[in-house]
Amino acid sequence: AQKITQTQPGMFVQEKEAVTLDCTYDTSDPSYGLFWYKQPSSGEMIFLIYQGSYDQQNATEGRYSLNFQKARKSANLVISASQLGDSAMYFCAMRDLQGAQKLVFGQGTRLTINP
Amino acid sequence: EAQVTQNPRYLITVTGKKLTVTCSQNMNHEYMSWYRQDPGLGLRQIYYSMNVEVTDKGDVPEGYKVSRKEKRNFPLILESPSPNQTSLYFCASSDAGSGRRNIQYFGAGTRLSVL
Repeated sequence: AQKITQTQPGMFVQEKEAVTLDCTYDTSDPSYGLFWYKQPSSGEMIFLIYQGSYDQQNATEGRYSLNFQKARKSANLVISASQLGDSAMYFCAMRDLQGAQKLVFGQGTRLTINP
Repeated sequence: EAQVTQNPRYLITVTGKKLTVTCSQNMNHEYMSWYRQDPGLGLRQIYYSMNVEVTDKGDVPEGYKVSRKEKRNFPLILESPSPNQTSLYFCASSDAGSGRRNIQYFGAGTRLSVL
């Protein structure tokens, strides 16, 4: 069974600093996708970034990058130059690309950006 | 604008009163799914659909029904709601295929309280 582990329940960062949110995963499937979502206090789930298990390069989307280390089964999210609006819950998720295709989520990390 | 639309956003009801939460997507996605989010339990899949008239159970299907008569719509039906179905519900959709086509896009969520 697939499993996502996010070991940081909460993080506090100063505005404009870079922040790394940790995510490790466990799967026996050779083909999978890794995702990060942001959930602000308003509740919606916002897609941030995607990494495929066969992608050779780390994914980047604007200020977001994914530090993908396949051998270590980690997929950490890096936010550069953090902003007050980055304060939110962040979820790491993975999807089995061959099976039922559901998303398996971690427990989330609550990020607070201090001015 | 590409989006997944859920209605209603907020709903308070009483035990046993049938309700339907609607979900519609305008991206011509094959795959649609319902999740519920509960504190300490994260997001869990309720039902999913691979295409019109093709639905299957997720991890927590008890007490829920779904249908997929049209590609764009995937309503969630609670025939006899109970207080343990009080939760935040999300509908999501994605394309079929590989790579970024697997990205699931979420609706804004429906906060349901069953008294």
